[in-house]
Amino acid sequence: EAGVTQFPSHSVIEKGQTVTLRCDPISGHDNLYWYRRVMGKEIKFLLHFVKESKQDESGMPNNRFLAERTGGTYSTLKVQPAELEDSGVYFCASRGTTDTQYFGPGTRLTVL
Amino acid sequence: QKEVEQDPGPLSVPEGAIVSLNCTYSNSAFQYFMWYRQYSRKGPELLMYTYSSGNKEDGRFTAQVDKSSKYISLFIRDSQPSDSATYLCAMSAGTGGFKTIFGAGTRLFVKA
Repeated sequence: EAGVTQFPSHSVIEKGQTVTLRCDPISGHDNLYWYRRVMGKEIKFLLHFVKESKQDESGMPNNRFLAERTGGTYSTLKVQPAELEDSGVYFCASRGTTDTQYFGPGTRLTVL
Repeated sequence: QKEVEQDPGPLSVPEGAIVSLNCTYSNSAFQYFMWYRQYSRKGPELLMYTYSSGNKEDGRFTAQVDKSSKYISLFIRDSQPSDSATYLCAMSAGTGGFKTIFGAGTRLFVKA
């Protein structure tokens, strides 16, 4: 069984540009989560999808961040326009019918 | 005050030592307690999972939860160099889709 995959593994962009991160959950997992770890801080929850619906987006930092999960399969997280403080590692996790969340390897975003 | 407090270390021990990792928390609603292991440039990997108070053992790893003190621990017996990683405690109330709150992570080095 393939795990959670994320693309790209690393992205370097300039302030003001747009970046789109992609997450492919484990097949059949209805629950998909986005988390972020900025330098020196703990991993923080961003939002949670159940299929294509946003269940909880209380962790989204501001309206420069847009997450979608059309069709309830893969998800994208777009940052537009990117700011310096958006630099960090963005993790995606998926969960099936159990309590366990499986994490992807993360996308390291660097905003210059 | 953070919801979950974890000493970031680093913690350096000789091979074969018993390692004790700890976290404290403030939210009494937490019911699910996890320990994740994260190797460099990888995503968090679930190591131990406990519901409510009590102990759980899996091989060389033992997780303890004391809800009355809001304190959780992970013990690693006979530590190996391959155990060198960052250990993250994580918690969830279980409601609202299992939104997970992480500690900062403790970096562990096991010297051969």
